[in-house]
Amino acid sequence: EPEVTQTPSHQVTQMGQEVILRCVPISNHLYFYWYRQILGQKVEFLVSFYNNEISEKSEIFDDQFSVERPDGSNFTLKIRSTKLEDSAMYFCASRTRPYTGELFFGEGSRLTVL
Amino acid sequence: AQKVTQAQTEISVVEKEDVTLDCVYETRDTTYYLFWYKQPPSGELVFLIRRNSFDEQNEISGRYSWNFQKSTSSFNFTITASQVVDSAVYFCALSEYLSGTYKYIFGTGTRLKVLA
Repeated sequence: EPEVTQTPSHQVTQMGQEVILRCVPISNHLYFYWYRQILGQKVEFLVSFYNNEISEKSEIFDDQFSVERPDGSNFTLKIRSTKLEDSAMYFCASRTRPYTGELFFGEGSRLTVL
Repeated sequence: AQKVTQAQTEISVVEKEDVTLDCVYETRDTTYYLFWYKQPPSGELVFLIRRNSFDEQNEISGRYSWNFQKSTSSFNFTITASQVVDSAVYFCALSEYLSGTYKYIFGTGTRLKVLA
């Protein structure tokens, strides 16, 4: 069964370092999302992406964050200069058309900023 | 304004008991979708069910059932004869069309502990 895959599963980094989280959405899906979940808390929307551009972003998604679909299969989230409070589980999700689709999530990438 | 409310932060039941997880939502759309996701201790988010706003039929899938009531803006989830493997955090989510895009909003989750 097709699935969303994310790498790495866990990354530990020093504060101020750049981090790139990678996702391979399901191949026929066209809408892509990043969500964040700080340990034990709610699943928070970061950004949605369609047709090679951001369709919406939350207030969390500030200038330190960026997304890219560099090669038609990968979908990446970059954090330029990590802060302690960026420590969280980051989930990539995708959905297909039409709109009625549910989000399919990857298994998440746990980011720990020291 | 909070769009999806899961008032139960944590529920503990003994195995084989039935348990209902509540979800109340808020939207101005006439067309919207509701979802339940399960997050087991391993951390992934597993899709359980989708419901559209025009279909108020209740649904049953094995030990799981869902009760959608537009009159009370609720979409509750019942697990019958709970098992230890049901222990997880369960998230209710709403999808609505806002500002030219479809936005998915999650509730804060209900942690279910099923004790042997």
